[in-house]
Amino acid sequence: KAGVTQTPRYLIKTRGQQVTLSCSPISGHRSVSWYQQTPGQGLQFLFEYFSETQRNKGNFPGRFSGRQFSNSRSEMNVSTLELGDSALYLCASSEAGRDTIYFGEGSWLTVV
Amino acid sequence: GESVGLHLPTLSVQEGDNSIINCAYSNSASDYFIWYKQESGKGPQFIIDIRSNMDKRQGQRVTVLLNKTVKHLSLQIAATQPGDSAVYFCAVKGGADGLTFGKGTHLIIQP
Repeated sequence: KAGVTQTPRYLIKTRGQQVTLSCSPISGHRSVSWYQQTPGQGLQFLFEYFSETQRNKGNFPGRFSGRQFSNSRSEMNVSTLELGDSALYLCASSEAGRDTIYFGEGSWLTVV
Repeated sequence: GESVGLHLPTLSVQEGDNSIINCAYSNSASDYFIWYKQESGKGPQFIIDIRSNMDKRQGQRVTVLLNKTVKHLSLQIAATQPGDSAVYFCAVKGGADGLTFGKGTHLIIQP
């Protein structure tokens, strides 16, 4: 089975721009969650989606949003980028009703 | 909410020795615990997990110990190898919330 796939792997954006990151979960996994990883704050939970519905949301501003499609693929969007949004954004998927989540390799976002 | 702390940001061990990485959590209602390994430039990789109805679980060269009384979790790696060099994270789940991660311990293997 292919793992969690995230695109793009690396990107550089300018302050004020917006960015969309994409995630394809492991085949058969219907739950997708997103995390932000920075050296200072570590891994922080952004949100979780299941069956196209946001099930949980972390403590991030409204500039961070996401969605899930009927095929379980997910996207997250960050609008009005700030320098502090530079981070590794990780997507993880899990089977319905299971707690174990499996991560992708992440999307490295640099905001300049 | 939950908070997860680590005991050591860096741990250096000799190749072949056993490694022990520790975590502490705050919420006594937490019921699921998981360890991840993250190598440089990669996403976290699942190692082993344990539920609150157990106090020990073993995998291949790894053992997770859970002490609910003092809210402490540890990962033991037997016969540490160069390929074990990575950052190790514990994560804790309670109820319907997402996983709460510790800051991670960087395991360094000395030849």
